[in-house]
Amino acid sequence: SQTIHQWPATLVQPVGSPLSLECTVEGTSNPNLYWYRQAAGRGLQLLFYSVGIGQISSEVPQNLSASRPQDRQFILSSKKLLLSDSGFYLCAWRDTGQDYGYTFGSGTRLTVV
Amino acid sequence: AQSVTQLGSHVSVSEGALVLLRCNYSSSVPPYLFWYVQYPNQGLQLLLKYTSAATLVKGINGFEAEFKKSETSFHLTKPSAHMSDAAEYFCAVSEVGNNNDMRFGAGTRLTVKP
Repeated sequence: SQTIHQWPATLVQPVGSPLSLECTVEGTSNPNLYWYRQAAGRGLQLLFYSVGIGQISSEVPQNLSASRPQDRQFILSSKKLLLSDSGFYLCAWRDTGQDYGYTFGSGTRLTVV
Repeated sequence: AQSVTQLGSHVSVSEGALVLLRCNYSSSVPPYLFWYVQYPNQGLQLLLKYTSAATLVKGINGFEAEFKKSETSFHLTKPSAHMSDAAEYFCAVSEVGNNNDMRFGAGTRLTVKP
């Protein structure tokens, strides 16, 4: 069966520090992968999506970046965090043969201090 | 482009009462529609989905939703609320053939009073 792993679960980082969040999927090949962010009391904001290795599409200009070095690995990064980067980050994948629904990871709570 | 609107950012019901969470969609092609639930500090979990089969869709935890094309709606209901239903609920719409096709509503926070 397919599973999605996201870590760490919580992270407290100072302003100006780097960021690396990792997401991996098991049990599927060539999935579409997505990074979302939820700010406090707000809905889901799509940040990046990827349809294959090295293929990244950005939805919102910001100081975050994403990479997909392997088929089932999706990384969210920043060189210098801002206070406004605080939020709940969710990774998701979609198997194109499964009714187009998304499966989400358990999320990372990022607090920038 | 497709979109969804969830009416009411907060809904409060008493335990045992009917739960009704409203969702209206906009799509240029026949849509796929989804409801997700999110508990605090957790990811989103699929409750149910409509993919052009039966218009009344049953999901987990006693929830169901009805696709009404004439009203462009996909409201979520549960006959009797339980304390454990307290969570955030998201409606989403998808269109076939677009890799970036899932659009989420702003969410509705459900509170269940004892």
